[in-house]
Amino acid sequence: GENVEQHPSTLSVQEGDSAVIKCTYSDSASNYFPWYKQELGKRPQLIIDIRSNVGEKKDQRIAVTLNKTAKHFSLHITETQPEDSAVYFCAANANAGKSTFGDGTTLTVKP
Amino acid sequence: NAGVTQTPKFQVLKTGQSMTLQCAQDMNHEYMSWYRQDPGMGLRLIHYSVGAGITDQGEVPNGYNVSRSTTEDFPLRLLSAAPSQTSVYFCASSSVTAGNTIYFGEGSWLTVV
Repeated sequence: GENVEQHPSTLSVQEGDSAVIKCTYSDSASNYFPWYKQELGKRPQLIIDIRSNVGEKKDQRIAVTLNKTAKHFSLHITETQPEDSAVYFCAANANAGKSTFGDGTTLTVKP
Repeated sequence: NAGVTQTPKFQVLKTGQSMTLQCAQDMNHEYMSWYRQDPGMGLRLIHYSVGAGITDQGEVPNGYNVSRSTTEDFPLRLLSAAPSQTSVYFCASSSVTAGNTIYFGEGSWLTVV
């Protein structure tokens, strides 16, 4: 089955700096790669996603890049703010109805 | 539009007891799934369903049963609770027509003592 590895597990940045989280996947059939943000005690919420026919997607301060050849994708957050502090999960979807998640990255943005 | 609704939000069980976590979605999504999230860890798939009457095992199915008699409902049954099943459980739904975005319920915090 699919295996998703996510790095780093923790990331601390100063407010205003950029943050990058990277994921690799194993199943070349995966074609949908979402990123979720989870605040403490809350459910994961989709922040951005990318599909296999696209190399990059941007939404304001958040961007995601995908390299299908190397089987990796990354989340980029620019101009970080304290409210960006949360746990971020990547996921890969090869089979309809189920996704495999990375273990998460705890991002701390220090004011 | 309620989205994905799961109950109960909190539950304490004794070892060996059984219980059912309820999950319902009102978005007419064909896909539903159950994940568990242990402290400091990611989401692991327990069981999933691609439509009414069809279920399949995920990554960590042991100790859990599911059924999908309707498109809307996907209950998760713990057969004989064990302390190792202490976790947060998330029900989720998705649809090809909605771009495969996963919509999560609010979570159920389960403690087995």
